[in-house]
Parts: sequence; structure tokens; C-alpha cells
Amino acid sequence: AQSVTQPDIHITVSEGASLELRCNYSYGATPYLFWYVQSPGQGLQLLLKYFSGDTLVQGIKGFEAEFKRSQSSFNLRKPSVHWSDAAEYFCAVGLPNTGNQFYFGTGTSLTVIP
Amino acid sequence: NAGVTQTPKFQVLKTGQSMTLQCAQDMNHEYMSWYRQDPGMGLRLIHYSVGAGITDQGEVPNGYNVSRSTTEDFPLRLLSAAPSQTSVYFCASSYEPGYEQFFGPGTRLTVL
Repeated sequence: AQSVTQPDIHITVSEGASLELRCNYSYGATPYLFWYVQSPGQGLQLLLKYFSGDTLVQGIKGFEAEFKRSQSSFNLRKPSVHWSDAAEYFCAVGLPNTGNQFYFGTGTSLTVIP
Repeated sequence: NAGVTQTPKFQVLKTGQSMTLQCAQDMNHEYMSWYRQDPGMGLRLIHYSVGAGITDQGEVPNGYNVSRSTTEDFPLRLLSAAPSQTSVYFCASSYEPGYEQFFGPGTRLTVL
């Protein structure tokens, strides 16, 4: 079955520590890949996206993600987490040849401790 | 540009009532979608549209109707609300299918 998997429901890191959020997808071809962030009570903001080309993509707020085709993964990283990064993070895939279908993982909640 | 706008922000309904969630975008995007967000389930696609007059079902379409008479507007109708439809609803638009989705601020709906 087609799916987007974020295996970590909740992660806690100390401020200043590094962060990696995992995302795996299961689709026939390489879809478009995205990471969104949602602060409490807010809408979704795009952090970064991958369509093709360089497999390491840079986003806003110091985030980056690496696409690994062999692992069907698109993990999000940040070298040094700030308290303001506490939020819910969603990985998503877009399927351009199926209308406008776009699918999200179940999200990873990030807590940052001082 | 206002981007994607949604009204209302909050709504409480009784079981069996009907209502329409409004969504509009001013970016001239052909592609628009509705999602619902429930705890632990991420966002799930309800319906989407690839242009005026063209709509299709997503993952969880039951209990919802949509229409697309203009490029700008994509309302979502609940014909007979049920408690299972208690959720946060997001409208989104994009300029190409499968591309980055631009989201509205959401509507928090409670069905009693």
C-alpha cells in the first residue's frame, strides 16, 4: 500500500543539540517530497521541498533534508535546535500524475528542553 | 495577496445540521484541496480539484461534497454533520499537481 511513514511520534531534544526526523515513503515512482512545520493552533508552513537534482536540499530556519532513493527516505535535519523549533513536523509526498493527490505522514511532535 | 483564506475559524454544529466551509485563494491556482487533521493521523485528503468544474475524491470523501464553479473558490459542504466529522479542516492550493501546497489558517469544527 502507498504510504508516508514518520516512525517517531514524539521526540525530545535539548536546545543546541542536533535533530533528525525520519520519513519514509512507499510509492511506485519518486514523488515530490516536502517537509512542513505546524506550530500549535497554526496552519502549515513549508520548510523545504525536493523535486529532482541535488539530493541535499536546504530550507528555511536552518533546516535541511536528504533524499535517499535506495532507502525511500527524506529525513529532516538541523545541526542546532532552538527553543522556537518546538512544533509538529509533517513529511508529505505529492503525486503529480494523479490529479492533485498529496499525502502526509502522521507527524512528529518535537519538544525542546532548555 | 491574501493567499488562501478560510471561513469560519471556529464552528459548533449539532448532529444532522448542514454547513459550508468556505475557501478562497487569490493566487490563480488551478489546483485546490481540502484536508482534515485529526490527532495522530496527520492530514488526510478529503476532495481535490484540478480546475473549475472538475473535482475528485481523496482518501476520506464520505460525508462531504465539493464543487468548483470558479478558479478562486472551493467550498466544502457537510450535508448532515456527524460527531466523527469533528476535526480541523484545511484548504490548500497549488500551481501544479503534486507541488507545494499553500494552506489556509484552518477551520476548527465541533459536532455535538
